[in-house]
Amino acid sequence: DGGITQSPKYLFRKEGQNVTLSCEQNLNHDAMYWYRQDPGQGLRLIYYSQIVNDFQKGDIAEGYSVSREKKESFPLTVTSAQKNPTAFYLCASSIQGANGYTFGSGTRLTVV
Amino acid sequence: AQSVTQLDSHVSVSEGTPVLLRCNYSSSYSPSLFWYVQHPNKGLQLLLKYTSAATLVKGINGFEAEFKKSETSFHLTKPSAHMSDAAEYFCVVSGPYNQGGKLIFGQGTELSVKP
Repeated sequence: DGGITQSPKYLFRKEGQNVTLSCEQNLNHDAMYWYRQDPGQGLRLIYYSQIVNDFQKGDIAEGYSVSREKKESFPLTVTSAQKNPTAFYLCASSIQGANGYTFGSGTRLTVV
Repeated sequence: AQSVTQLDSHVSVSEGTPVLLRCNYSSSYSPSLFWYVQHPNKGLQLLLKYTSAATLVKGINGFEAEFKKSETSFHLTKPSAHMSDAAEYFCVVSGPYNQGGKLIFGQGTELSVKP
């Protein structure tokens, strides 16, 4: 079945460490997105990519980095520069013109 | 620019009674609008979408929404609530794909269903 896989489901990180969240899709979608969810704030866009080897900053990109070396994969690195990284992270993908977005099941990151 | 406002942060209904979750939007383009549902610690599931076809959109699990351009609204309704409907609901507007196709989310409405 086609879909988006995010791993791991739960992730714990010590302060000062970088951590990478995985997002893989087998839908042949062109665009991929990373959103951050905090209680009572909806979802906010971190980064997005519409084509391999190209990506754009979203509304809250500071302290995060991404890569898009393959169409299927869009990993997100939460760096030590992110001041408040504890959150629920959701990856999504879409195909041009389809007006549809598929979401992964999310990764909950906790800084300890 | 686009934005979405969900008018209620919490809605509580009794099982078997109607559900109304309110959403207003602002868009400088002809918008694509969505409603998503999220159960605790889960990803988002698409309930329905409006993409400039019929203004009354039917979705999954008995939900529907009506696009009203004159009122810039896209309210979500269901005739009879079920306990399994308890979740968080997001109204979402999509930007043009040639400008990133980004989704703009409302703040969310938490729906509680009482037995």
